[in-house]
Parts: sequence; C-alpha cells; structure tokens
Amino acid sequence: GNSVTQMEGPVTLSEEAFLTINCTYTATGYPSLFWYVQYPGEGLQLLLKATKADDKGSNKGFEATYRKETTSFHLEKGSVQVSDSAVYFCALSDRSSASKIIFGSGTRLSIRP
Amino acid sequence: DVKVTQSSRYLVKRTGEKVFLECVQDMDHENMFWYRQDPGLGLRLIYFSYDVKMKEKGDIPEGYSVSREKKERFSLILESASTNQTSMYLCASSFFLAGGSGANVLTFGAGSRLTVL
Repeated sequence: GNSVTQMEGPVTLSEEAFLTINCTYTATGYPSLFWYVQYPGEGLQLLLKATKADDKGSNKGFEATYRKETTSFHLEKGSVQVSDSAVYFCALSDRSSASKIIFGSGTRLSIRP
Repeated sequence: DVKVTQSSRYLVKRTGEKVFLECVQDMDHENMFWYRQDPGLGLRLIYFSYDVKMKEKGDIPEGYSVSREKKERFSLILESASTNQTSMYLCASSFFLAGGSGANVLTFGAGSRLTVL
C-alpha cells in the first residue's frame, strides 16, 4: 500500500539557517504530493503541492520538487524565520479516490532568534 | 474567510458519555473527513463522507460513528467515550475528481481537543 516517511523531529535551527525536511513515499501509480503546515493551536493548512513528476511546488519561500526517480518530496527553505516554527506534514493523495490520503507523522520545527 | 468550522475547540467529558463533534464547511465540497491526531502517529482517518448520507470507514472507525444529513455538516459521534479517545480531532473537506489532474487539497478546521476523564 501507499506510505509516507518523513524525518523525525524535533528540528531546531537558528534564524536565517537553511532548512531541509526529508520526505519519501511509496505508491502505485502517480500520486499528488503535498506539504501541510500546522501552527500552534491551529489546524493544518496547505503549504504547497505538486501533482506530477518534476513539478516544483512553492509558497512563502518554501519549495519542494516531486522526484519520481528517488520517490522524494523534500521541503526546503533558504532562510528560516522564527515565524516558521510549526509542525510540517508530508502527504500523498491517490488519484483513484478522494479518501486515499496518507500523511507522514509530522516534523516539529523550532527556530531560535 | 473561515471555511471549515469546528464547533468546539476544547471539550472535557467523562468516561461513558456520548460526545458530539460538529463540523461545518461553506465551500460546497462533496468530501468531508474526520481525522484523529496523536503525537508521533500523524493523522489517522476515522471516517470519510463523499456525499450526503454516504460514508466510508477509515483506518480507525472503532468506537466512532458519523452523520451527514446536509452537505455542509459532518458530525463525529463517540457513543460511549473512553480515555483512549482523548485526542485532537480534525475535520476537513475537499473537492476532488477521481482520475483528474487536479490535486485533492484538504481544507482543515482548527481542531477540537477532547479530554476524556
């Protein structure tokens, strides 16, 4: 079956550091891939997405590229801010059914001023 | 701008009580979801509904039921709450076309944190 594996946290960085959060997946077919972010006390919200191989999703300075050859969708940001402190979830959506969405376990990111 | 509203942010209930968690979306989405979020386990799907009065069990439906009498409202019911149901509950909705090129983007509510004593 489909699965998503993302790096365990917590991850602690200093402000302006480079961020990478790794995400790999296993899936049949051609899923869509997502990063969601959960700020303290809130629900999840979509950060970025990619629907086919080699697509790059980007938003708020974050980027992730859909790599079919390595089955990866790593999240990157060149210079993090304190306001980026949150939990980040990688997710996969099967095209065959609306309910077949798999989430990773989440990575907590803390940014020091 | 709020699109998915969960009626209660925090609830405290006693073991054996019946608990209702309500969720309303204003985007005319066909699909609605109830997830449970626990540390280290990510999000686990409890129930999914793809239309009014239609539902599918998710990964962990035991101890839960749902109701969708209107398109915009999806309720999660704990018939007899137990301490192992203490958790954060997240409602979400989506528009999705199976086999289409679009992505199945979920819009989440703010969550309902339930404590069962």
